[in-house]
Amino acid sequence: DVVMTQSPLSLPVTLGQPASISCRSSQSLVYSDGNTYLNWFHQRPGQSPRRLIYKVSNWDSGVPDRFSGSGSGTEFTLKISRVEAEDVGVYYCMQGTHWPYTFGQGTKLEVK
Amino acid sequence: EVQLVESGGVVVQPGGSLRLSCAASGFTFDTYFMHWVRQGPGKGLEWVSLISGDGVRKYYADSVKGRFTVSRDNSKNSLYLQMNSLRIEDTALYYCAKDSGGSIDHWGQGTLVTVSS
Repeated sequence: DVVMTQSPLSLPVTLGQPASISCRSSQSLVYSDGNTYLNWFHQRPGQSPRRLIYKVSNWDSGVPDRFSGSGSGTEFTLKISRVEAEDVGVYYCMQGTHWPYTFGQGTKLEVK
Repeated sequence: EVQLVESGGVVVQPGGSLRLSCAASGFTFDTYFMHWVRQGPGKGLEWVSLISGDGVRKYYADSVKGRFTVSRDNSKNSLYLQMNSLRIEDTALYYCAKDSGGSIDHWGQGTLVTVSS
């Protein structure tokens, strides 16, 4: 199975400051169709996960544009340009290129 | 609006059995693969099982293979997970989730399974 490794696992951030989460895969996530199926999810405390970004950099409906995704091959990044209070929770990357889908360990974002 | 509503989670003894259900609405159910994903207490997300839209193709995580069976009834827009020979480590919140081709685009609220003596 493809191993997804996130860093950091804990991310204390001051409101209004930027944040960045890294996700590395043990194999290239480029699929035979040319797409890279790397997704980012946000899970607030007590809630289900919500997808933020799919195929590396595409926003889901309603996702604020302070979130951005980038990367290629095996290295990916989720950036928040200015952290707001509602951004707290755990962020997961997930690859959907190789079977089975696999998740990163999660990065817990908290406000300082 | 896509809605996924899980049910069936209870406290069960080790070695016991349980069937989870997921009622889907807001999309053409039989055209989508569907997943079960679980989250142990204080832990991350673990993919459990996947079933094709027609119910023919089924896939399982190694941790549940041979013990869990996924199925669906497209006439009822429902997804199921039959869980046998339950272990303490199966304790988790079980999510039903809709596939979107290399991704998961919608999740249910989860149903809690506790395996304890």
